[in-house]
Amino acid sequence: DAGVIQSPRHEVTEMGQEVTLRCKPISGHNSLFWYRQTMMRGLELLIYFNNNVPIDDSGMPEDRFSAKMPNASFSTLKIQPSEPRDSAVYFCASSLGQQGDEKLFFGSGTQLSVL
Amino acid sequence: GESVGLHLPTLSVQEGDNSIINCAYSNSASDYFIWYKQESGKGPQFIIDIRSNMDKRQGQRVTVLLNKTVKHLSLQIAATQPGDSAVYFCAEIHGNNRLAFGKGNQVVVIP
Repeated sequence: DAGVIQSPRHEVTEMGQEVTLRCKPISGHNSLFWYRQTMMRGLELLIYFNNNVPIDDSGMPEDRFSAKMPNASFSTLKIQPSEPRDSAVYFCASSLGQQGDEKLFFGSGTQLSVL
Repeated sequence: GESVGLHLPTLSVQEGDNSIINCAYSNSASDYFIWYKQESGKGPQFIIDIRSNMDKRQGQRVTVLLNKTVKHLSLQIAATQPGDSAVYFCAEIHGNNRLAFGKGNQVVVIP
């Protein structure tokens, strides 16, 4: 298995532009997570899905952020409009989603820079 | 203006020596703990996990110790190698089944 696949690896955009980050979880995994990592805050959970349904989005900073999971093999995180303070590394992770096996497997992340 | 970054606790260890990385967790109700390793430019990678009904678990060159009395978790790396240089995170699960990550510890292996 190729693991969790994220794209793009790097994104540089200007303030106000829309940004879409993409994720393909590991096949067979039922839970998908979006994390943001900064030096100041560390790893923060933004939202997670179970069986394609958003379960908890309390970590989403504000309405500018939205996430979708149209099917079991694809998810997007969108920021519209983007702001400089959104600059961070965004990670997608997936897990089997079963009680007793909560190990998360992370992608390589998307480094986002908003100028 | 430029924001001040968070300085991670750093452990410098000589190659071949053993490393011990410590973590204090917050919730006494947490029942599952994981150690992750993050190398520069990569995502966190699972190392080892432990459940609250255990106090020790061993893997290949790594041992995790859990002290529930003082809510303390540690990761021991035997015979540290240059490839062990990374940031190490402990994570706990409590309540809503979501992993909560600590701030991380930087390990620097000196050849």
